[in-house]
Amino acid sequence: DQQVKQNSPSLSVQEGRISILNCDYTNSMFDYFLWYKKYPAEGPTFLISISSIKDKNEDGRFTVFLNKSAKHLSLHIVPSQPGDSAVYFCAATYNAGGTSYGKLTFGQGTILTVHP
Amino acid sequence: GAGVSQSPRYKVTKRGQDVALRCDPISGHVSLYWYRQALGQGPEFLTYFNYEAQQDKSGLPNDRFSAERPEGSISTLTIQRTEQRDSAMYRCASSLGVAGGYQETQYFGPGTRLLVL
Repeated sequence: DQQVKQNSPSLSVQEGRISILNCDYTNSMFDYFLWYKKYPAEGPTFLISISSIKDKNEDGRFTVFLNKSAKHLSLHIVPSQPGDSAVYFCAATYNAGGTSYGKLTFGQGTILTVHP
Repeated sequence: GAGVSQSPRYKVTKRGQDVALRCDPISGHVSLYWYRQALGQGPEFLTYFNYEAQQDKSGLPNDRFSAERPEGSISTLTIQRTEQRDSAMYRCASSLGVAGGYQETQYFGPGTRLLVL
């Protein structure tokens, strides 16, 4: 039962262009969403997050959009740089009784390659 | 400062053996999490601790898996009677504040690659 899905295993983008990574979820209880970035041989690194009370959160070149009715979120990277080449994971969580925010549910990941 | 460290980085064992995987969280971080990651997949939650208390172990696949954090710092994930299907990357993460009623950023370690022959 994959509650968080990233349907694109890979994405290739030219340097300077926009990268759009997508994520869908099925559990309507999720109320907090995160994107992690992972380089080879390293652990995932937190990138940006969004609460369900918002529909957009921006941090520099990175913007996350949340569409609750569609149970869909996306990460926009503008402009894309070769150093952004990595695996990107979306993750979701919710609070049920004050203990569940410790549990992140991850998607399968999307490999982003930014070509110079 | 030092990040989350895990040891060993690689572990090869024979089916039926017990293994212990260690996680050293970032100094001062009170919450610690264990995940398992299969090849080509995202991390899958196993369990987490606030201080020494195990708050949620709903992700542990069966009773061969256990975790402890006796002094609220270093944690050990133990897999008894390993099976080939246990082969995966085991990742540990820690967060500064107490996980629970609000979201704390989780900082991940490099993982332990376990191979069961």
